[in-house]
Amino acid sequence: DAKTTQPPSMDCAEGRAANLPCNHSTISGNEYVYWYRQIHSQGPQYIIHGLKNNETNEMASLIITEDRKSSTLILPHATLRDTAVYYCIVRDPWGGSQGNLIFGKGTKLSVKP
Amino acid sequence: EAQVTQNPRYLITVTGKKLTVTCSQNMNHEYMSWYRQDPGLGLRQIYYSMNVEVTDKGDVPEGYKVSRKEKRNFPLILESPSPNQTSLYFCASRELQGSTEAFFGQGTRLTVV
Repeated sequence: DAKTTQPPSMDCAEGRAANLPCNHSTISGNEYVYWYRQIHSQGPQYIIHGLKNNETNEMASLIITEDRKSSTLILPHATLRDTAVYYCIVRDPWGGSQGNLIFGKGTKLSVKP
Repeated sequence: EAQVTQNPRYLITVTGKKLTVTCSQNMNHEYMSWYRQDPGLGLRQIYYSMNVEVTDKGDVPEGYKVSRKEKRNFPLILESPSPNQTSLYFCASRELQGSTEAFFGQGTRLTVV
């Protein structure tokens, strides 16, 4: 079972920041937080990951709380092309089979004009 | 360009007729896996492989076989397809260890009638 909890859906106005929350209260010390998204029925696409520090790349920023029990993915200026299902996943990258990517239901983000 | 290639993209077949969905990656990744995606059930892992000649069952392996004779290829075999295997299938690959991203194929939409 997925170890994360996400809201099933969110709306965002085009050009505004989209903040997608994720709860992972049972995360262990070795587990990282990963975000992927799936646009329509395409293959999931990696966005960003982090352990405990905040991370930023060309696509998004990841804010992880100090206790690591929750995180927020931020798309700073959402566009219509960001409409997708966003998955928050925790995994241990050195855990062998325990490091498998287990997907939950994700958050369906709708960016509206 | 780093990529995971699945073939075919679309397939309609009849119950009981053996089929193979191919998956190939060009990144020299040790780890490869197969998922199926169904409405309301999300992405579920079928099989995974941590290296050549090493395969393991995921969450929904019944009715499927895989093989890993070469590092780059990880075919999914349905010996006797049934209508409940109608689904959208994704292949993925990543490095075995380390906090790196997974790459997904474009998907194969299979219909079994």
